[in-house]
Amino acid sequence: AQSVTQLDSQVPVFEEAPVELRCNYSSSVSVYLFWYVQYPNQGLQLLLKYLSGSTLVKGINGFEAEFNKSQTSFHLRKPSVHISDTAEYFCAVSDFRNFNKFYFGSGTKLNVKP
Amino acid sequence: NAGVTQTPKFQVLKTGQSMTLQCAQDMNHNSMYWYRQDPGMGLRLIYYSASEGTTDKGEVPNGYNVSRLNKREFSLRLESAAPSQTSVYFCATRDATNEKLFFGSGTQLSVL
Repeated sequence: AQSVTQLDSQVPVFEEAPVELRCNYSSSVSVYLFWYVQYPNQGLQLLLKYLSGSTLVKGINGFEAEFNKSQTSFHLRKPSVHISDTAEYFCAVSDFRNFNKFYFGSGTKLNVKP
Repeated sequence: NAGVTQTPKFQVLKTGQSMTLQCAQDMNHNSMYWYRQDPGMGLRLIYYSASEGTTDKGEVPNGYNVSRLNKREFSLRLESAAPSQTSVYFCATRDATNEKLFFGSGTQLSVL
């Protein structure tokens, strides 16, 4: 079975500072990787995904992530955060054996302070 | 375009009561999912349906049943609610052309 580990449960950061949210996964087969964002009292929305090709993936709202197969990581980055980025971020993985099964990490709460 | 619609948004049950959470989508997606979200545990898959007429267990299926009524609707039933089922429940669909999940706005369930 897949597992996804988000190493930080909470990340406080000041506005306009850079941020990295960490995600590691375990899998014996090729995977698809995703980052979703959840704003308060809402469902999740897709930020970005890696299916194949370039390991550097750009998403919405200025976020990007890099797939590192050797380190089984898919860390999310943004060079300059805004107050509006305050939300919970979830890393997720699915694999080629069953595209229907998505496994989510435990989430990282990003708190952007003025 | 409503996307994924869940009802109800809030529900309080007593231990042992039953209820059904409803989910409907208008995006013509084949795959539909039920997740529960608990603090510090992320989203855990309860059941999913790859297509109309099929359902499969996810990570935490015990205490739940599902029904894929047609392509649009996928319901989750708690036959005898327990306090451990207090959670936020999300329905989702999958766009197979780009592997994107679309989520409903959630149902906050409390079992006393």
